[in-house]
Amino acid sequence: DAKTTQPPSMDCAEGRAANLPCNHSTISGNEYVYWYRQIHSQGPQYIIHGLKNNETNEMASLIITEDRKSSTLILPHATLRDTAVYYCIVRVRAGNQFYFGTGTSLTVIP
Amino acid sequence: DAGVIQSPRHEVTEMGQEVTLRCKPISGHDYLFWYRQTMMRGLELLIYFNNNVPIDDSGMPEDRFSAKMPNASFSTLKIQPSEPRDSAVYFCASSLSLRQGTPGANVLTFGAGSRLTVL
Repeated sequence: DAKTTQPPSMDCAEGRAANLPCNHSTISGNEYVYWYRQIHSQGPQYIIHGLKNNETNEMASLIITEDRKSSTLILPHATLRDTAVYYCIVRVRAGNQFYFGTGTSLTVIP
Repeated sequence: DAGVIQSPRHEVTEMGQEVTLRCKPISGHDYLFWYRQTMMRGLELLIYFNNNVPIDDSGMPEDRFSAKMPNASFSTLKIQPSEPRDSAVYFCASSLSLRQGTPGANVLTFGAGSRLTVL
């Protein structure tokens, strides 16, 4: 199973882009990278996922390096409501388990 | 769709009592997961089901914990007897297994959680 490494915490000014890094150097060829976030006291919420190509949706963009050993989640214009813990997960190939690490606690500052 | 529905939202009980947590997954989803979250250990996967069948229960901490899924729309997580160290937020999540690359494939949708306090 590929493990992920994320910084424990980050700050971002409101209105600026938040760039959250994730290392997954042991990722296998067909394992996807998923991002979830958890706002205090709520269940985790899906944000985005990808395999090789960069992905964008209404919430965020996901940039995956060419060697797939790391990725960056980008929130283009962070708001106070984006304050949350962000989890980077590599989906286990066999089965359907998602294992959450410790994540990055993002604080958006007014 | 109302999403994943969990009950109760809060439960306070005394050590030794039986606790039953309930989950209604999103209609049509064929996977159901139970997670536990504590400050010390973060989010832990306890067990998951596929088409109502338990697939992997290796995360269940001990025999005091049991989970069932009698039908596609209902699952329970039972703790008997409960202990103070079981105090945590328990989340249920469901997903639909689609071929990877299909929009929405294998995306987990979580419920709001059940906060358990064992005194």
